[in-house]
Amino acid sequence: GENVEQHPSTLSVQEGDSAVIKCTYSDSASNYFPWYKQELGKRPQLIIDIRSNVGEKKDQRIAVTLNKTAKHFSLHITETQPEDSAVYFCAAGGPNTGFQKLVFGTGTRLLVSP
Amino acid sequence: DAGVIQSPRHEVTEMGQEVTLRCKPISGHNSLFWYRQTMMRGLELLIYFNNNVPIDDSGMPEDRFSAKMPNASFSTLKIQPSEPRDSAVYFCASSGLMGSYNSPLHFGNGTRLTVT
Repeated sequence: GENVEQHPSTLSVQEGDSAVIKCTYSDSASNYFPWYKQELGKRPQLIIDIRSNVGEKKDQRIAVTLNKTAKHFSLHITETQPEDSAVYFCAAGGPNTGFQKLVFGTGTRLLVSP
Repeated sequence: DAGVIQSPRHEVTEMGQEVTLRCKPISGHNSLFWYRQTMMRGLELLIYFNNNVPIDDSGMPEDRFSAKMPNASFSTLKIQPSEPRDSAVYFCASSGLMGSYNSPLHFGNGTRLTVT
């Protein structure tokens, strides 16, 4: 089955710096890759997603890139702010994971220091 | 839309008691998922339903856990008897429209369960 690995597990940056979180997946048939942000004590919320027919997608300070050949995708946050501090989860889904099921990475705790 | 609605938000119970967690998915969504989150194990998928039918319950830890989805707008996760190691945050999530595939997953606010 699909397996998603996420790195790093923790990431500390200074406000204004960029942050990059990387994920790899094992099933070449996976075609949907969302990213979720979970603030302390709250629910995971979708922040951006990408499908396998594109290589990059941007939304203001957030971007996701996908390399299908290497089977990895990354989340890029530019001009980080303290409110970006949270745990970020990547996930993968596709025809082999079954009925809209997603396989999640283990999460990256991002800390943005003022 | 009010989003995925879970109740209760917090549940404190004694070991051996029955616990029932409830979830109302987003209207029109045809898939529903129950997750458990702990510091040690992260986000674990327990069971998921498609069109009210259980598709995969391989994540359910043991027979003490059971889940039902009697209709498209309601699901329950029951633990009987509860144990201290069941303490966690339980999230319900829903996704998809009829015929959709790989749609975004929408999480509820979770139920924080503490078993003493």
